[in-house]
Amino acid sequence: DAGITQSPRYKITETGRQVTLMCHQTWSHSYMFWYRQDLGHGLRLIYYSAAADITDKGEVPDGYVVSRSKTENFPLTLESATRSQTSVYFCASSESEGRLAGVEQYFGPGTRLTVT
Amino acid sequence: QKEVEQNSGPLSVPEGAIASLNCTYSDRVSQSFFWYRQYSGKSPELIMSIYSNGDKEDGRFTAQLNKASQYVSLLIRDSQPSDSATYLCAADSSYKLIFGSGTRLLVRP
Repeated sequence: DAGITQSPRYKITETGRQVTLMCHQTWSHSYMFWYRQDLGHGLRLIYYSAAADITDKGEVPDGYVVSRSKTENFPLTLESATRSQTSVYFCASSESEGRLAGVEQYFGPGTRLTVT
Repeated sequence: QKEVEQNSGPLSVPEGAIASLNCTYSDRVSQSFFWYRQYSGKSPELIMSIYSNGDKEDGRFTAQLNKASQYVSLLIRDSQPSDSATYLCAADSSYKLIFGSGTRLLVRP
């Protein structure tokens, strides 16, 4: 049971380049989320998705794009990377039914992104 | 803006002691509350959830919820050095979670 995986685990890129971070889950969870974690800010929600082809903005969406063509995948794209996007990015997923829908979240291992 | 507040710490306790971690939340509509443990360089791991007022125990962990005071706490009994980590409190808000910035716990051998 692979659960939720992220790739790459580490990435160094240059300012202005496009970067895509991948997230894959095997639980068939409807909800998926992207967070960034920075010192002093905790976890901040970038985008989330309630189901395939349904996405919505979180707290800090500017400079990011997401898509969700398949339930199991939720890629995050930085269209033109900036130094301020240097961070650790976590993907999470959650069940789709009941009182825990969307809120009992399980996290992937994270991607450490450095923009130079 | 809906918020979850935690003392950043570090909270330092001796091995074997009870560690008490606290959290307050601003959204009165929140119904579900979660504690995540995050070791340095790792991802958050869900360790406790609580939905009703009162206490919920799971092994050495006890979560406490007081909705009237908008207060959530996590007690760790018989603290071990392996419990040293950052503990994140989270509250639900419209099918999403609002996270606190975390409290760093240090358990001294």
